[in-house]
Amino acid sequence: AQSVTQPDIHITVSEGASLELRCNYSYGATPYLFWYVQSPGQGLQLLLKYFSGDTLVQGIKGFEAEFKRSQSSFNLRKPSVHWSDAAEYFCAVGTGSNDYKLSFGAGTTVTVRA
Amino acid sequence: DAGVIQSPRHEVTEMGQEVTLRCKPISGHDYLFWYRQTMMRGLELLIYFNNNVPIDDSGMPEDRFSAKMPNASFSTLKIQPSEPRDSAVYFCASSREGTQYFGPGTRLLVL
Repeated sequence: AQSVTQPDIHITVSEGASLELRCNYSYGATPYLFWYVQSPGQGLQLLLKYFSGDTLVQGIKGFEAEFKRSQSSFNLRKPSVHWSDAAEYFCAVGTGSNDYKLSFGAGTTVTVRA
Repeated sequence: DAGVIQSPRHEVTEMGQEVTLRCKPISGHDYLFWYRQTMMRGLELLIYFNNNVPIDDSGMPEDRFSAKMPNASFSTLKIQPSEPRDSAVYFCASSREGTQYFGPGTRLLVL
């Protein structure tokens, strides 16, 4: 079965600074990979996804992520953080098989300081 | 599209009462997922459907929980009787071709 690890529980970053959130997955074949963001009191919003092709994927709100098969990683990045990026971020992996279930990481909470 | 719609957004009930949560998936999506989110356990998959048929309910915590999907545009998650430990945010998500889209959630408080 597939699984996801987000090593950082909490990250604090200054507004305007760059942000990188780590995600490592475990799955034998090429996975489907996702990043979701959850603002307080809200549902999960899809930021970006990787199914195949170019390993650098662009998402909404200026986020990007890079799939590195050799490292089993799918790290999320943003060059310049805005105060509105304060939220919880979830990495998820799916097998792409017929069931389309996703395994979610525990999440990383991002705090943005002025 | 309006996205995944859940109702009610908030529910406060007393222990022992029946609770029914509702979900309308995105039109054309053939998968529907019910999740529960708590501080202690994070995001847990409870059950999911494909073309209105339950595929995997191994995440349903106990017999007090049941879910139905009578048609492609409606699903319910029922808790009977409810207990304080059921307090959580319940999310519905729908999917087509592998990408899940989440509803806003129902925040349930059982007193």
